[in-house]
Amino acid sequence: IAGITQAPTSQILAAGRRMTLRCTQDMRHNAMYWYRQDLGLGLRLIHYSNTAGTTGKGEVPDGYSVSRANTDDFPLTLASAVPSQTSVYFCASSSIRGQPQHFGDGTRLSIL
Amino acid sequence: RKEVEQDPGPFNVPEGATVAFNCTYSNSASQSFFWYRQDCRKEPKLLMSVYSSGNEDGRFTAQLNRASQYISLLIRDSKLSDSATYLCVVNIGGNEKLTFGTGTRLTIIP
Repeated sequence: IAGITQAPTSQILAAGRRMTLRCTQDMRHNAMYWYRQDLGLGLRLIHYSNTAGTTGKGEVPDGYSVSRANTDDFPLTLASAVPSQTSVYFCASSSIRGQPQHFGDGTRLSIL
Repeated sequence: RKEVEQDPGPFNVPEGATVAFNCTYSNSASQSFFWYRQDCRKEPKLLMSVYSSGNEDGRFTAQLNRASQYISLLIRDSKLSDSATYLCVVNIGGNEKLTFGTGTRLTIIP
């Protein structure tokens, strides 16, 4: 079944640890995105990629990095996790940027 | 002023009723508009795109009012399964960035 796969589904992490959230899509979409969703704040864009080999900063990029080595994968890395990064993280993709996005199931991350 | 604003609700509506909610946007150059639906602890899913002429999909009708800078979603004959949070999404200023509203929570009561 075509779609977006995120891993892990959930994670509890000690502050200061490094963590990579994985995202893979099989729809051959050019654009991919990472959002975080917090109560009362809605979805906020962390980083995006218009096409393989390019990335850009979103609304809340600090403390996060991404890479886009190929069309299918768009991992998000927290170099040194802090409690304020506790959130639900959604990966999304679209055929091109600005078009409707398809979302993964999300990763629930708790930083202690 | 927020780029995209929605009434957070909650809207508690009896089954079978009609419910409507609006979303306002601040940038008059915005070009694309969408409604997404998000169930509790699930991912957002595209409900419908909003076209200038308005569009209808079954019990759902979406309208765009450019003069007043808002979009609306109307749900007729509401079902229990319509209970969800509805997210307004706007392509701000045509720069290909999608901005999500914080959502309107709808609960359909039996």
